[in-house]
Amino acid sequence: GNSVTQMEGPVTLSEEAFLTINCTYTATGYPSLFWYVQYPGEGLQLLLKATKADDKGSNKGFEATYRKETTSFHLEKGSVQVSDSAVYFCALSSRDDKIIFGKGTRLHILP
Amino acid sequence: EAGVTQSPTHLIKTRGQQATLRCSPISGHTSVYWYQQALGLGLQFLLWYDEGEERNRGNFPPRFSGRQFPNYSSELNVNALELEDSALYLCASGFRRGQSSGYTFGSGTRLTVV
Repeated sequence: GNSVTQMEGPVTLSEEAFLTINCTYTATGYPSLFWYVQYPGEGLQLLLKATKADDKGSNKGFEATYRKETTSFHLEKGSVQVSDSAVYFCALSSRDDKIIFGKGTRLHILP
Repeated sequence: EAGVTQSPTHLIKTRGQQATLRCSPISGHTSVYWYQQALGLGLQFLLWYDEGEERNRGNFPPRFSGRQFPNYSSELNVNALELEDSALYLCASGFRRGQSSGYTFGSGTRLTVV
């Protein structure tokens, strides 16, 4: 079945550091891939998405590229801010299936 | 455009009681997904409804049930509440045949069982 694996947290970085959160997936067919973010005490917000191989999703300085050859969708940001502290979830969806989430990666940014 | 609305925001129940959680999807969305997020854990898939029918179910006991109404809003019922049912319950809506557009989540219902 379909699955998503993302790096264990928590990840702690200093402000303005470079961020990478790894995500790999297993899926049949051609899933769509997403990154969601959950700020403390809130629900999930869609951060970015990619629907086909080599697509790059981007939003708020974050970006991720759909790599079919390595079945990956790593999240990156060049310079993180304290306000980026949150839990990040990698997810996939495919036709006639539920959304499948990774276990989440908690990110702490120190001022 | 109104987002996904969940009610109530917080719910406190006693062990053994029943809880009813509600979700109103974004206008035009036909799919509703329910997830459980226990403290410190990831999202566990509960139920998926589309166009009034249950399409998929996660690994939860039968006391977790729900339904989707003709206007696509949905209800999650949890019977015989147990302490470990305490969690944030999240609802998401989307187009079933448009998975590429992603899904929109509500802010959740925080259920506390005492």
